[in-house]
Amino acid sequence: DIQMTQSPPSLSASLGDKVTITCQASQNINKYIAWYQQKPGKAPRLLIRYTSTLESGTPSRFSGSGSGRDYSFSISNVESEDIASYYCLQYVNLPYTFGAGTKLELK
Amino acid sequence: QVQLKESGPGLVQPSETLSLTCTVSGFSLTSYGVNWVRQPPGKGLEWMGTIWNDGSTDYNSALKSRLSISRDTSKSQVFLKMNSLQTEDTAIYLCARGAPFAYWGQGTLVTVSS
Repeated sequence: DIQMTQSPPSLSASLGDKVTITCQASQNINKYIAWYQQKPGKAPRLLIRYTSTLESGTPSRFSGSGSGRDYSFSISNVESEDIASYYCLQYVNLPYTFGAGTKLELK
Repeated sequence: QVQLKESGPGLVQPSETLSLTCTVSGFSLTSYGVNWVRQPPGKGLEWMGTIWNDGSTDYNSALKSRLSISRDTSKSQVFLKMNSLQTEDTAIYLCARGAPFAYWGQGTLVTVSS
């Protein structure tokens, strides 16, 4: 199974900050990583697929990059509506595996 | 538009079998796979298994001995059955389309308790 090591577990940011979350896979995942936003009591929302492709409706302040085993997800100019938990997902191989999540809070 | 909706009992006794239904609309089960994902309260996400558009299935090896996913294409429904439930199976159970999971149901909370 591919392990996804996501960091940090939590993040405190001020409005307007840039924040970055990383996921390291236990093996090369060939850019098959997606990023999700989850707010309390809601299903996850797909923001980015295949490392850097934004889903329709994903604001341009969200971005993703990486290759091989190492990937990152950033939010530039954090807004109040971005306060949520974020998860990475590798979908190159079964079993699909998620990172443990990052909780973004306001400073 | 694409929609998925989970349904099933909110409470299951330990050692009993969980049966959930995911009813989909806006797409055909013969065109897209459907996944089951679960999330214990306050914890992370775990992929449980997939039923593919051809009806074949794949399961998380950690659950494979207890889990079965099936479907009724005429009713646009996907079914999850998992036996020998324990308290650690208490979670929100979600169905989601395709990979990566672009469309999700709202989830249903299943509590395993006597």
